[in-house]
Amino acid sequence: EAAVTQSPRNKVAVTGGKVTLSCNQTNNHNNMYWYRQDTGHGLRLIHYSYGAGSTEKGDIPDGYKASRPSQENFSLILELATPSQTSVYFCASGDVGIEQFFGPGTRLTVL
Amino acid sequence: GDSVTQMQGQVTLSEDDFLFINCTYSTTWYPTLFWYVQYPGEGPQLLLKVTTANNKGISRGFEATYDKRTTSFHLQKASVQESDSAVYYCVLGDDTNAYKVIFGKGTHLHVLP
Repeated sequence: EAAVTQSPRNKVAVTGGKVTLSCNQTNNHNNMYWYRQDTGHGLRLIHYSYGAGSTEKGDIPDGYKASRPSQENFSLILELATPSQTSVYFCASGDVGIEQFFGPGTRLTVL
Repeated sequence: GDSVTQMQGQVTLSEDDFLFINCTYSTTWYPTLFWYVQYPGEGPQLLLKVTTANNKGISRGFEATYDKRTTSFHLQKASVQESDSAVYYCVLGDDTNAYKVIFGKGTHLHVLP
């Protein structure tokens, strides 16, 4: 069955530290997405990718970088983590016109 | 700019009650309309899809009907169960542009046994 997995599932980081969130999909979808979910805001798009080697800015990209080294993998990188980046992060894959498939989420706490 | 609005942040019902969640949108393009559901501890998953061509989506007892006049696609279910407790998102998508995905803020449904 097609799946999106994320690691780690939980992460505690210190302010100013570097954090990398990883995502893997076996759907063979071209597009992948990173969202964050916060109470009162729903899901907001951080970065997305059309395929290996591409990354594009979403609606709230400041403070985040992304990397798509292969069709299957998409990473979200916080070079200098801040407490405002404490959130639940979701990765998703999909193709234009069809549903997005979401991973189980990563809970990130920045102290 | 483009937007999707869910006015109800939280809804509490008893089992067998009727569910109605309001969703309206404003866009400069013709969207494909989705309802996603998110259960505790999980990522969102597709509940149903509505296109402006067929005007209706039905899945797992839920139904959404597109109303062109009011640009709305409310979610309904005749009789909710405790297992329906979850967060429901109305979502807009663009069949020609993978970037155009807009999530509503979500409605938290709590069904009492």
